[in-house]
Amino acid sequence: RKEVEQDPGPFNVPEGATVAFNCTYSNSASQSFFWYRQDCRKEPKLLMSVYSSGNEDGRFTAQLNRASQYISLLIRDSKLSDSATYLCVVTPNDYKLSFGAGTTVTVRA
Amino acid sequence: DTAVSQTPKYLVTQMGNDKSIKCEQNLGHDTMYWYKQDSKKFLKIMFSYNNKELIINETVPNRFSPKSPDKAHLNLHINSLELGDSAVYFCASSQDVGRGNEQFFGPGTRLTVL
Repeated sequence: RKEVEQDPGPFNVPEGATVAFNCTYSNSASQSFFWYRQDCRKEPKLLMSVYSSGNEDGRFTAQLNRASQYISLLIRDSKLSDSATYLCVVTPNDYKLSFGAGTTVTVRA
Repeated sequence: DTAVSQTPKYLVTQMGNDKSIKCEQNLGHDTMYWYKQDSKKFLKIMFSYNNKELIINETVPNRFSPKSPDKAHLNLHINSLELGDSAVYFCASSQDVGRGNEQFFGPGTRLTVL
């Protein structure tokens, strides 16, 4: 079983829509969780950390469910510029990040 | 004022050759990483160095050898290149080891082995 699993999508949504997707992780000892964003042919960049109580950054909301071992990302009022691949990242130990294969979101005009 | 830089950006070479990719960070970070992203977009860690010491060495063929001459540089040398080595290789750095540290990635080196 992969350490981190994501629905690859693609999620095709119109501008202004809300889109949400999850990621599951296998190691219950994982302590830190992140969403990274990767544009086509570019490097990944941190979008936001995910805290136990859930957190919001503008139009982006992240949630963590430790009991079911998943994290989620919700994007409200989607913009064309939100089109990207969103990588779920989990830290199973102090030394490394485990990346999911990414969920592709395409926002259309 | 590039934070993490890699050279070359593109590398096309024949099977069996030896090649190197260089990485430098000017963020003053202590920890650096090499990742491989294959055609399925799966980003997998290969190595990590903290203050020039190897701390992560995932199951990577020993044809791959990282070298860290100082904590701002982490180079990757690959011997006897194979077709399956074709991928995008990303260098990254973080302030320190530890679960909460954000990683900053270089632009990637797209390696094609013919």
